[in-house]
Amino acid sequence: ETGVTQTPRHLVMGMTNKKSLKCEQHLGHNAMYWYKQSAKKPLELMFVYSLEERVENNSVPSRFSPECPNSSHLFLHLHTLQPEDSALYLCASSQDAAVQETQYFGPGTRLLVL
Amino acid sequence: AQSVAQPEDQVNVAEGNPLTVKCTYSVSGNPYLFWYVQYPNRGLQFLLKYITGDNLVKGSYGFEAEFNKSQTSFHLKKPSALVSDSALYFCAVRPRDTGGFKTIFGAGTRLFVKA
Repeated sequence: ETGVTQTPRHLVMGMTNKKSLKCEQHLGHNAMYWYKQSAKKPLELMFVYSLEERVENNSVPSRFSPECPNSSHLFLHLHTLQPEDSALYLCASSQDAAVQETQYFGPGTRLLVL
Repeated sequence: AQSVAQPEDQVNVAEGNPLTVKCTYSVSGNPYLFWYVQYPNRGLQFLLKYITGDNLVKGSYGFEAEFNKSQTSFHLKKPSALVSDSALYFCAVRPRDTGGFKTIFGAGTRLFVKA
């Protein structure tokens, strides 16, 4: 295990639902990330938090709303999603947000939007 | 535009044979280079990275990668493949000089090792 956990592992939601994805890291890291992984496409960086401050928002639609209450926890709040948002959502952490730092990934939440 | 190319969707290798998974990139400057592996129903796991120094980098599980600046490549290699190496492999590049936090990932190459 990498020290990064994600819940739930699977989620099915309708387009009018509101749900949240949770990520927790037990590594003492200061940076956390959300990625979207779609089939046969490169990982897409969504958000980066460094010391609980959002430092990157990669043109993500507002129906995705991140929250980082402390350096160990990261949430992704979902509302009025579209079917094309169905994907594997990966959380990652690193010691800090420096470019040479290795990222440690959680197992992901597989999201299906109906 | 900055990009990472993994030209093969899938690589098939017999167990015991050497394997190569290719990666080339188009990123300005001297980026940091990474390889990650993803097993089914798991997140990405770090294999190795190139920061500076020796062009041949050794990583986890017997993998190594060679940085070639002139060809802007960072191919992943292993002298003798195992069935358990079957997984999805991602090359990733992180620019040094942009001040941003973006890691650019390739689309992935699925490695299938046959017993």
